[in-house]
Amino acid sequence: SQQGEEDPQALSIQEGENATMNCSYKTSINNLQWYRQNSGRGLVHLILIRSNEREKHSGRLRVTLDTSKKSSSLLITASRAADTASYFCATAAGNKLTFGGGTRVLVKP
Amino acid sequence: DTGVSQDPRHKITKRGQNVTFRCDPISEHNRLYWYRQTLGQGPEFLTYFQNEAQLEKSRLLSDRFSAERPKGSFSTLEIQRTEQGDSAMYLCASSPTFSFGTGSWGYTFGSGTRLTVV
Repeated sequence: SQQGEEDPQALSIQEGENATMNCSYKTSINNLQWYRQNSGRGLVHLILIRSNEREKHSGRLRVTLDTSKKSSSLLITASRAADTASYFCATAAGNKLTFGGGTRVLVKP
Repeated sequence: DTGVSQDPRHKITKRGQNVTFRCDPISEHNRLYWYRQTLGQGPEFLTYFQNEAQLEKSRLLSDRFSAERPKGSFSTLEIQRTEQGDSAMYLCASSPTFSFGTGSWGYTFGSGTRLTVV
């Protein structure tokens, strides 16, 4: 079963624009992580936000977490064609990560 | 040791055959995880190891699936009597032990083994 649900399922933007995607989850978590997956490849860890944190930045990435609403958002600023990929949120509870269904992002040059 | 390695990258097998996949984690990582991913979906947890001990298995892991991690190093995932529904990408990941404590880390994934059952 997949705890997280990403919204939107797909996103198409022009290079230079910002991309925002959201993740909702159902149960209490230790932390929430975002991963990127290029077509046919493994997942790459982008950023982790702990349950007691509200916002985190890493380069062009900004993640927010609202534990009262059980939701998180990932913002990619000044997108590039190389950002084209699927993005997954994953919630950490117990000893494993549970992934959502992902948001497919297409950045057009 | 530059990352998590999985072998083979692709496997095509006939229904009913047995297949085995191998994963070599990052050597310092105590934890090793197996996930399965079908097209257009997120990865689904199958099982994980702490060193050589298999500590949790998903209900997705039927009797036809078995995983081992002898000596706490590499791991193998075997599927017996494959079915067409087993066609998927099988992903391996590793992490340090204290992933979810104050010193939290993400997982490092391999590139996966894509299984096609014909």
